[in-house]
Amino acid sequence: KAGVTQTPRYLIKTRGQQVTLSCSPISGHRSVSWYQQTPGQGLQFLFEYFSETQRNKGNFPGRFSGRQFSNSRSEMNVSTLELGDSALYLCASSPGAIAGGLGANVLTFGAGSRLTVL
Amino acid sequence: AQSVSQHNHHVILSEAASLELGCNYSYGGTVNLFWYVQYPGQHLQLLLKYFSGDPLVKGIKGFEAEFIKSKFSFNLRKPSVQWSDTAEYFCAVNAYNAGNMLTFGGGTRLMVKP
Repeated sequence: KAGVTQTPRYLIKTRGQQVTLSCSPISGHRSVSWYQQTPGQGLQFLFEYFSETQRNKGNFPGRFSGRQFSNSRSEMNVSTLELGDSALYLCASSPGAIAGGLGANVLTFGAGSRLTVL
Repeated sequence: AQSVSQHNHHVILSEAASLELGCNYSYGGTVNLFWYVQYPGQHLQLLLKYFSGDPLVKGIKGFEAEFIKSKFSFNLRKPSVQWSDTAEYFCAVNAYNAGNMLTFGGGTRLMVKP
């Protein structure tokens, strides 16, 4: 079956602009999580959506936002881009039924969207 | 909030050497534990996971990990590494009541020399 698909794969923006990244989860998966990966900070959790509701949120400023649609596809948006937002943004999906349930929390990651802010 | 420490940032081994990567976490409650691997140019893949039961778990490609609750550790091991194991390895913790939020360690870059 198809994996987690992220678009676009690469993009370049300038400071002050905004960007929207898209994620299509594995068919049947209802949970979508977003992570930021940078050389300095590593992998950091941004937020998780389950059934169109934000279930968890990491310690990122309000410029980072997301949403999930009824078909489980998700988007994240970063407004007023800063140089430090340059990163690989990873989306992960899981069945996401009950937290802690067997299989519920195994994340399958996409290839990521590499954002460069100039 | 939980945190995860991977003490080895870079490891260089020769083929056939044994591997052990350390992972310690701080969280007082029940956790799910994972090791993910990122091969050069590829996306993160699940190596193995621990939810409950036998604390020694086996994953893909001959990897295993042991959960020692008293030490808050989940070390990754492989008896004999291959050149193809060259990758970055990430330990991750999920608190039992935190949805699918994973806290990752800083990663360990493993280079296996042929």
